[in-house]
Amino acid sequence: EDKVVQSPLSLVVHEGDTVTLNCSYEVTNFRSLLWYKQEKKAPTFLFMLTSSGIEKKSGRLSSILDKKELFSILNITATQTGDSAIYLCAGSAGGSEKLVFGKGTKLTVNP
Amino acid sequence: EPEVTQTPSHQVTQMGQEVILRCVPISNHLYFYWYRQILGQKVEFLVSFYNNEISEKSEIFDDQFSVERPDGSNFTLKIRSTKLEDSAMYFCASDISRGGDTQYFGPGTRLTVL
Repeated sequence: EDKVVQSPLSLVVHEGDTVTLNCSYEVTNFRSLLWYKQEKKAPTFLFMLTSSGIEKKSGRLSSILDKKELFSILNITATQTGDSAIYLCAGSAGGSEKLVFGKGTKLTVNP
Repeated sequence: EPEVTQTPSHQVTQMGQEVILRCVPISNHLYFYWYRQILGQKVEFLVSFYNNEISEKSEIFDDQFSVERPDGSNFTLKIRSTKLEDSAMYFCASDISRGGDTQYFGPGTRLTVL
């Protein structure tokens, strides 16, 4: 059975800190790994990663995929209180349309 | 920016009742999905829908569930006879292309079955 495991499940930091969120996956016929930010309700898309070693960046957020070790990390630098959210990692497989989600990492950024 | 919308935001129903959850996907998207998230648990795939038929479904999506696109804009999830364990947040998602890699999610409907 395909699975995605995220760690830590919960993280509390102070504004300005840098955080690294982890995601490991076991997805048969793996195609891509996605990161979402979930505030209040709807998961909002952050990144899609398909190739190993190529960093994707968006402002203070960046992410990279390691297809050999089957994991991805999401980095957030100079955290702000607005970064407080649940960060979801999901895997997709070739020949399937579903996303397999991890439990998420709840990030709390205190002022 | 276009977005997926869902109604209602919260639905409370009695066990055994039928509920219909509604979604309006992004207008030029062709692939539609339902997911659910039981409180404190993972987001779980239910079903994908394309060209007016189900293209993939999970084990959760049993005969109690059905989906349709009745009018070319709405996408609905029907639960025929709700059970207590159907209480969850239900998310609709849509995608412009097949494969599910760029799914955009709606804000969800919180279903509470009493």
